Parts: sequence; C-alpha cells; structure tokens
Amino acid sequence: GAGVSQSPSNKVTEKGKDVELRCDPISGHTALYWYRQSLGQGLEFLIYFQGNSAPDKSGLPSDRFSAERTGGSVSTLTIQRTQQEDSAVYLCASSLVRVYQPQHFGDGTRLSIL
Amino acid sequence: GIQVEQSPPDLILQEGANSTLRCNFSDSVNNLQWFHQNPWGQLINLFYIPSGTKQNGRLSATTVATERYSLLYISSSQTTDSGVYFCAVFFYAGGTSYGKLTFGQGTILTVHP
Repeated sequence: GAGVSQSPSNKVTEKGKDVELRCDPISGHTALYWYRQSLGQGLEFLIYFQGNSAPDKSGLPSDRFSAERTGGSVSTLTIQRTQQEDSAVYLCASSLVRVYQPQHFGDGTRLSIL
Repeated sequence: GIQVEQSPPDLILQEGANSTLRCNFSDSVNNLQWFHQNPWGQLINLFYIPSGTKQNGRLSATTVATERYSLLYISSSQTTDSGVYFCAVFFYAGGTSYGKLTFGQGTILTVHP
C-alpha cells in the first residue's frame, strides 16, 4: 500500500520568503507527526496531530512555524519569513491511533534557504 | 526529557563482517524503534521493539527494558547496509498524547566491499 507522501521533495527559496510543505499520511492513520533533521541538531520533533484533538506544538522552534491538518488527513507545515537556520530536511510520519504503534516516515522535504 | 545515547558513533566494516549497535536510554519507555537512513535520506523502519527480541533476515534486535538498552545486530554485512542507524524512543505520559519520538544521534555505518 501507499506510504507517507511528502511534497515537494526539494525546495530552494530565498531568505524571508514563506514556504509550505505538504504531508499525506498512510490511509487510516489518525496520528501525524512532523520532525526536522538538521546538521548539528539531529532529528527533532516539531508538532503532533491526533484526530480532532488540539495539536501538540511543543517542538515548534518559533512562532514563524505553524501547521494545520485538514479533514483529519493531509497536513501542511508553513514557515514564514524563512531564515538560513531553517535549512533542513523536514520529515513527516504517521501512525495508528492506538498507543504503542510504530511511526512510519515519508521521504522528507529538503529545504534550502539561500 | 528522555535521553538517548547510541554507540559507536561511527563503524567501518568489511563486507561479510558482523556488528552490534547499542542504544541506551535514560528512563522507562513504551516504544522503541530502530531505523536505517539510507544514503538517499530515506528513513526505513527496521524494528518496533519496546521489549524482547525480533529477527528479520540478517538483522535482529533485542531490547532489555528493565536495564534501559537495546541492541541491533547486523550479520554478514553488505554494502547496502551502509547508512545511519537511529534508535528512537517514546514514553507515554498519559491522556490522549501519544507523543513524540526522541532520537539518538545515530551510528554511521560504512561497509566496504
């Protein structure tokens, strides 16, 4: 079956521009996660959505970052007024709703800020 | 929060050799996953193993939850095993928060032909 799908796979933009990254989770997975992988910081959690509950935003690094999940499926991560330190690979994962379920990752979006 | 330490940070092998990667974590966990990140950056699930032992082909993993560590064994290594191996853990704090994975820094494995 289809895995987690992310788009675009690569994004190059100028400092100060806004970017939107998209994630389409595995069908039937109601939990969705965003992570970021950057040099020197490793893999770090950003935000988590579970069904209709309020998202866990505890990992968002600044108020320039936001995310939404429409219809309980597709999610968009938005970065406003991008900075060079935002350059990273942004990974999305999804899992079944039950506790202790493994997370499955997409191929990521490689974001480069010039 | 939970701390995750992986060792060794780097490992170089000749094709055919065996290896053991270790993951130590600082507190009780409800979920532990091992991932392989290939040279193209894809993060591939290897094992979901909060406790016990699992095997999948040349790979196997053991988690001893009471002693807070997990081991990943790679036997008869191949060049395609090269990449970064990550251990990630999750602690369920209760309620409806199924939570985030906390990743170790990874082990970089290079297998030479």
